[in-house]
Amino acid sequence: DQQVKQNSPSLSVQEGRISILNCDYTNSMFDYFLWYKKYPAEGPTFLISISSIKDKNEDGRFTVFLNKSAKHLSLHIVPSQPGDSAVYFCAASLRDMRFGAGTRLTVKP
Amino acid sequence: DVKVTQSSRYLVKRTGEKVFLECVQDMDHENMFWYRQDPGLGLRLIYFSYDVKMKEKGDIPEGYSVSREKKERFSLILESASTNQTSMYLCASGTTSGRPDTQYFGPGTRLTVL
Repeated sequence: DQQVKQNSPSLSVQEGRISILNCDYTNSMFDYFLWYKKYPAEGPTFLISISSIKDKNEDGRFTVFLNKSAKHLSLHIVPSQPGDSAVYFCAASLRDMRFGAGTRLTVKP
Repeated sequence: DVKVTQSSRYLVKRTGEKVFLECVQDMDHENMFWYRQDPGLGLRLIYFSYDVKMKEKGDIPEGYSVSREKKERFSLILESASTNQTSMYLCASGTTSGRPDTQYFGPGTRLTVL
């Protein structure tokens, strides 16, 4: 049973526009949520995280929003750039980490 | 700069063979993890270790075992490889000091079992 779900396998946006990637989770005990980015032939790299006691964390063009009541988080990328094209994994952490299936983002020039 | 290395980028084995996947990290991290990545399923945790000689099962440990004799090295063992173990295998390391427990990943080993 997947505790972390990313229901959109792919997303395509135009350069300069906003990219919104979504993630849902089932276990209310998770205390940290993370986003990882993966390019082909490389391992995932950490992008941004948020504690369960916050509802927003911002780092440059990347913002993560957490809605605990809905058990939902999202990653906003503004403005999107072609170099952002990658697979994005949502992860939730308690003692170990659970990952979603990933969303492939394509940013078109 | 954190570095996690995996012994092979690509590996082809036959059904029934014993397979060793090696992972080494150079950041003195306590925690090490093995995942497999499959399309539509994301990263699934196979085994993890919080200390030398310690191991804990993840979500899908069946058909796998691990070994952690030294802090920097975590090995994944497929006792008798099967075709359904064809996958991308990712090793990660992390520290317990502070939260979040960010993990650092190796480049992955793409294993094909024929």
